[in-house]
Formats: sequence, structure tokens, C-alpha cells
Amino acid sequence: GAVVSQHPSWVICKSGTSVKIECRSLDFQATTMFWYRQFPKQSLMLMATSNEGSKATYEQGVEKDKFLINHASLTLSTLTVTSAHPEDSSFYICSAWEDFKETQYFGPGTRLLVL
Amino acid sequence: AQSVSQHNHHVILSEAASLELGCNYSYGGTVNLFWYVQYPGQHLQLLLKYFSGDPLVKGIKGFEAEFIKSKFSFNLRKPSVQWSDTAEYFCAVNARGATNKLIFGTGTLLAVQP
Repeated sequence: GAVVSQHPSWVICKSGTSVKIECRSLDFQATTMFWYRQFPKQSLMLMATSNEGSKATYEQGVEKDKFLINHASLTLSTLTVTSAHPEDSSFYICSAWEDFKETQYFGPGTRLLVL
Repeated sequence: AQSVSQHNHHVILSEAASLELGCNYSYGGTVNLFWYVQYPGQHLQLLLKYFSGDPLVKGIKGFEAEFIKSKFSFNLRKPSVQWSDTAEYFCAVNARGATNKLIFGTGTLLAVQP
């Protein structure tokens, strides 16, 4: 099946720093990728839809200046958490939409801990 | 607005017991339906999906789900669970022909006792 990777798998940073997370579709091209956030024992919360070559579409309540998304190519989307604070600590998951199978494939997630 | 509800937050079963996890969605139009599974420490994997045709769909690992349009339901079933089925199960829906974004249910944590 289709493979989506994320890097890094986990990161610890100091409050106030910025963290970049990469999401790659390894064996297919994805015009659309998605970024989710998952809190412990809760479901995935969609943060934004990343569209190749255009601006991301953010869900209500998600600060676009806080969570910068760049979808520079058909296989890569990045999420940058700017000026991270402890409340941004979470599990961030990306997914990529495969047009042919009309299915989202998920990455393994990135665990962010902000001290 | 679309929404997905999963009624069971936690389910505990013994091995060989039958499983049925409920999923109901709220949306007035045509939808695609999915079940994803997240094993401990692993990423979400697609179990099965329904787009059209036979409302009874079969997925991997012996799982199946039935789409009942009149009930807005897409329940997941397995006749005989195994310890290795211990995981969290998420139902998801997306509006056909619209954006590709998925709306997830809150998930059901299944624990299978050996």
C-alpha cells in the first residue's frame, strides 16, 4: 500500500523555538495533504488541508500564523510550529490523499514536547 | 456540518468473541465511509472503505462493515476477535465530490483478553 513518512518521529524543544515537521508521500504524488493533531485518548483533530502550490486551508480555531504549512512539491508538505509553547505539545499526524484510490494514507506521527 | 459518532468508547472482549462497533454519521449528501485502526504505538491504517455498490464491505484481517443508508450507519464487525486486534478503531466519513478531508469519530478502544 501507499506509504507516508514523517520526520522527525519525536522532538523535544524549548519554549519559544520553532519546530518543522516534514510529511512525505513515498510512492505516490499527493496534491492534497492533511495535518492533524491528536491529544491523548482522543480522536484526530484536523488542523489544516495542505494544497500543493497554493495556500493551506485552516480549520476554525487553528492559528495559521502559529502553524505554518508549506506544500512545495507533490510529495512533501511541512508543518512549522512557530514560537512553540508547552500547550503545543501533542502528537501531530499528517496524511496524504491518493487520487486514484480516493483514500488518505497516514504517516506515523510526530510527538512534540515543548519544555 | 458533518459529524461522526462512535457510541462505544471502550470495549473489552475475550478472544473468539464476536465484535460489533457502532458508527453513525450525520450528513445530508452522499458520503464515502472508512474504518481505520491504530495499533499501540503505530500509525493509522486503513481497515476498509465503502464508496458505492454492495453495502457489505470486507476489509483486511477478517473485518467487515455494513453501510445502512436509512440508519446513517457503518458498523464494523468481526466474527471472532484475537488478542492482536487490541487497538483503537476510528470511523471516518468524507463528503463525496467535495473536499477530500475526513471527519473522524472519537474512536473506540478495543481490548481483547487472551
